[in-house]
Amino acid sequence: QSALTQPASVSGSPGQSITISCTGTSSDIGSYNVVSWFQQHPGKAPKVMIYEVTNRPSGVSNRFSGSKSGNTASLTISGLQAEDEAVYYCCSYTGSSTWVFGGGTKVTVL
Amino acid sequence: QVQLVQSGAEVKKPGASVKISCKASGYTFTSYYIHWVRQAPGQGLEWLGKINPAGGYANFAQKFQDRVTMTRDTSTSTVYMEVSSLRFDDTAVYYCVRSDNLDYWGQGALVTVSS
Repeated sequence: QSALTQPASVSGSPGQSITISCTGTSSDIGSYNVVSWFQQHPGKAPKVMIYEVTNRPSGVSNRFSGSKSGNTASLTISGLQAEDEAVYYCCSYTGSSTWVFGGGTKVTVL
Repeated sequence: QVQLVQSGAEVKKPGASVKISCKASGYTFTSYYIHWVRQAPGQGLEWLGKINPAGGYANFAQKFQDRVTMTRDTSTSTVYMEVSSLRFDDTAVYYCVRSDNLDYWGQGALVTVSS
C-alpha cells in the first residue's frame, strides 16, 4: 500500500486560510469515509484534529475543517494562528483492516 | 481519563527482537482496537497494524506481516507488540493508539537499533 500524497509544505499569514490536500486512490480515500487528520508539534505525539472526513473531536477548534472529493481529502485551517505551525498528516482506511498515512505537510505561519 | 502508557526506551542489536507494552486505562479495554504506528527520526508516520483486544485477532501492513506480532492481556488491559529481526531502519518511536479514529496516543517508545 503506497503512502497518501501530501504537499511537503504550506504557508500562510496569520488570519488567512490554508488548505492541505491528501491524494489517494479509488482503493482508499475514494472508497471509504474513514479519513483522519493529525497535528504534530516537534517532540510531541500526534493529535487527531479531524476523523471520518469531517468530524471534529471535542476540544478541537472549529477553525479546522475536513472535506473529501473523489480520491482527495482536504484539511482547511481558517484564521491561521501561530500555534497552528506544525506538521499535519492525513490517514485513510484502505480496506482489509489496514490503514495508510500521508507523508506529512509542514505548515508555516509567516 | 483515557490513558495509554507505554514501556520505556530500548536499545537493541541488529537481528534481535524487541517487545513494547501499552497499558490502557480510563475506558473499557475490549471495546476499542489498538493500532501501532511508528515514526523514524525526522520522518513521517507509518502504520504497522492493529489488534482487537476482545478476541486478540490482529491485522498488519503487508511489509510487517512476517516480523511483527501483537498480543494482549485482558487481565491487565495491556497490549504488546514484538518486532523481530531488527534492522537499523527499525530505529523509531513506536506509538500505540486507541480506536479506528486514532483518538488517543501513547507517549511513544523509542527503539534504537545499533551495533
